[in-house]
Amino acid sequence: DTGVSQDPRHKITKRGQNVTFRCDPISEHNRLYWYRQTLGQGPEFLTYFQNEAQLEKSRLLSDRFSAERPKGSFSTLEIQRTEQGDSAMYLCASSDSSGSHEQYFGPGTRLTVT
Amino acid sequence: GESVGLHLPTLSVQEGDNSIINCAYSNSASDYFIWYKQESGKGPQFIIDIRSNMDKRQGQRVTVLLNKTVKHLSLQIAATQPGDSAVYFCAENRSGGSNYKLTFGKGTLLTVNP
Repeated sequence: DTGVSQDPRHKITKRGQNVTFRCDPISEHNRLYWYRQTLGQGPEFLTYFQNEAQLEKSRLLSDRFSAERPKGSFSTLEIQRTEQGDSAMYLCASSDSSGSHEQYFGPGTRLTVT
Repeated sequence: GESVGLHLPTLSVQEGDNSIINCAYSNSASDYFIWYKQESGKGPQFIIDIRSNMDKRQGQRVTVLLNKTVKHLSLQIAATQPGDSAVYFCAENRSGGSNYKLTFGKGTLLTVNP
C-alpha cells in the first residue's frame, strides 16, 4: 500500500450535474476524513468516518453533499446539483487508531464547475 | 472564534539559509499543533508536530517551537533547499472525543532561490 489514493484527479462538470469522488485510504487505517481546499486557503474539514460510521459532519456540508464508507474501507463523496461555488480541491485523509493524530492525505480531486 | 492563522503569506530565502515560518493560534484547548507541507498539485504532507505540553521539538532539519503564553507556533527549517519550496500550513488538533479533525491556517508560500 503506497498511500491514500483518490479518483478522479480532475473533474470538470457543468452546473447542476452530480459528481462522485472516491477515496481509498491506507489499508489498516480505520479513520477517514474529507476536506475541501480552495485556492490560497488551508483545507477545511467536511466529514469524518471511523470504520463505516460517519461521526461528524461540518456545517460546510450542505444537503447536496453526501459521503459514505459502506464497508469501512473506501469512501465516496457525492455532490448533487453542483454549483460554481463547489469548485475546489477535495482532499481525503486517513489515520489509524493508535492515538496518533497524524493524518495521511491523498493527492486530491480537483473539481471545476462551469 | 477559533482560528489558526499565519503572519506572512510569502517567504523567500536563499538556498542554504535557515527559514522561519510563523503561526498564531487562538484556541488554548488544542492538544497538538502540526506543520504540513503542500507542494503544487499534491496533498498536504506531515512534517512535524508538537504536543501542547511541550515547548520545542526537533526533527530532521526542522524544529518546531511553541509559545503558549503568546499562542505562537513557528517552524524552523535549517539549510533550506530548493526542494523545500512549497506552501506550509500550521494546523491544530484536539483529540478529545473521537474526532481528530484538523483545523488549518491559510498557509505560507516558501520560495527557495538557488
